[in-house]
Formats: sequence, structure tokens, C-alpha cells
Amino acid sequence: DAKTTQPNSMESNEEEPVHLPCNHSTISGTDYIHWYRQLPSQGPEYVIHGLTSNVNNRMASLAIAEDRKSSTLILHRATLRDAAVYYCILRHQETSGSRLTFGEGTQLTVNP
Amino acid sequence: KAGVTQTPRYLIKTRGQQVTLSCSPISGHRSVSWYQQTPGQGLQFLFEYFSETQRNKGNFPGRFSGRQFSNSRSEMNVSTLELGDSALYLCASSPGAYSRETQYFGPGTRLLVL
Repeated sequence: DAKTTQPNSMESNEEEPVHLPCNHSTISGTDYIHWYRQLPSQGPEYVIHGLTSNVNNRMASLAIAEDRKSSTLILHRATLRDAAVYYCILRHQETSGSRLTFGEGTQLTVNP
Repeated sequence: KAGVTQTPRYLIKTRGQQVTLSCSPISGHRSVSWYQQTPGQGLQFLFEYFSETQRNKGNFPGRFSGRQFSNSRSEMNVSTLELGDSALYLCASSPGAYSRETQYFGPGTRLLVL
């Protein structure tokens, strides 16, 4: 399975942008890049995903490198509610189904 | 639409017992996946079911099993519980089983094995 590498932790101030990096140098052509986050005592929550092009939604933006070996999740204005563990995940499409392979994730702390 | 529901939310068992956890996916979703989350190992994939068939299995011993019913509801069973099985068990559903689809997670069942 292709692995992802993320910093263990990052800190941000409220209302400032946050750039969460993810390296996935062994990504394959059919792997989608998904980002999920997990707030304390909750199940993971979908944030955004993409294949090759940059993506935007109401929660965040996803910037994907041209060679697809890295990506960056961008929170445009961090709030205290964005404090969570953020997971960068490659979604495989295998012949017998697909699954999410979680890495260590990045613990984001947002300071007031 | 109602989200993914898991029952029970909390469970305490003793070593050697068995346990069954239940997951009801979002209406219309046919794929259900199970994950185990522990402080030491993080989130690990257990298995995935699609249209009542197990399509993928993670690296867990045979004590962990599951099934899916015709209404897409799923159960997972752990037999002969060990202390190390204490974990948060998460269920996720998606419309199908394609890599472009989003998975929606339930709140989890927290299992404590004494």
C-alpha cells in the first residue's frame, strides 16, 4: 500500500490560514488523495479529495503537486473548531474493493 | 438523511468473551467498512462489505469476523476477546466501493476488555 507522510503536529492562530502538508511519493495513477479529520471523541469526518487538479469546497482547498507526490490541505481561516487530527489518505481501487489506509495524521492546534 | 449509526456506543467485556457490534449505514449506501482505532496502532482497516460480500480484509486474526445483511446493515464479531482488543471500533459507509467515493463514519463503539 502506498504510504503518506505528515508532520506529527502543527499550530496555528485563529483566523489565520493553515497549510497542512502530505507526502505520498509512491502514489499510483489510480489513487485518489482524500483528507479526513477527526475531532476528539468522534469518528473521522470527510474534508476534501482530489485526483490531479486542485479542489475547493466550503471547508477547505486541496493543492496537488504536478507530479502528485505531495499535496497540501489549506484551511483559509482557522477556527477553534478546526482543532483536530487531520489525515491524508490514499484511496486505493483494488480489484476486490477499496479501503482507506490511515497514516499517523497531523494534530492541529488552533490558538485563540 | 440520518448518518451512520453504531450500537452500542460503549461496551465492557472480559477476556475470553465474544462481542457483536452493529452498524447501520446511511440509507442507500451499499458499502460498509470497519476500522479499529487504538492509541498505539492508530486507525486500522478491518474489512469491507459490499452487497453482502466481503470485498477486502485487513491484517487481523480470524477472531475478527463480520457480515452484511440484505438491507446493508453490518455486524462485526470478535470472539475470545483479548485485552488488546480494547479499542474504538468505527464503521463507515459509502454509496459504492470506488476510490473516488467519500466514506461517512459513525461515532464508533468503544470497547473495553477487562
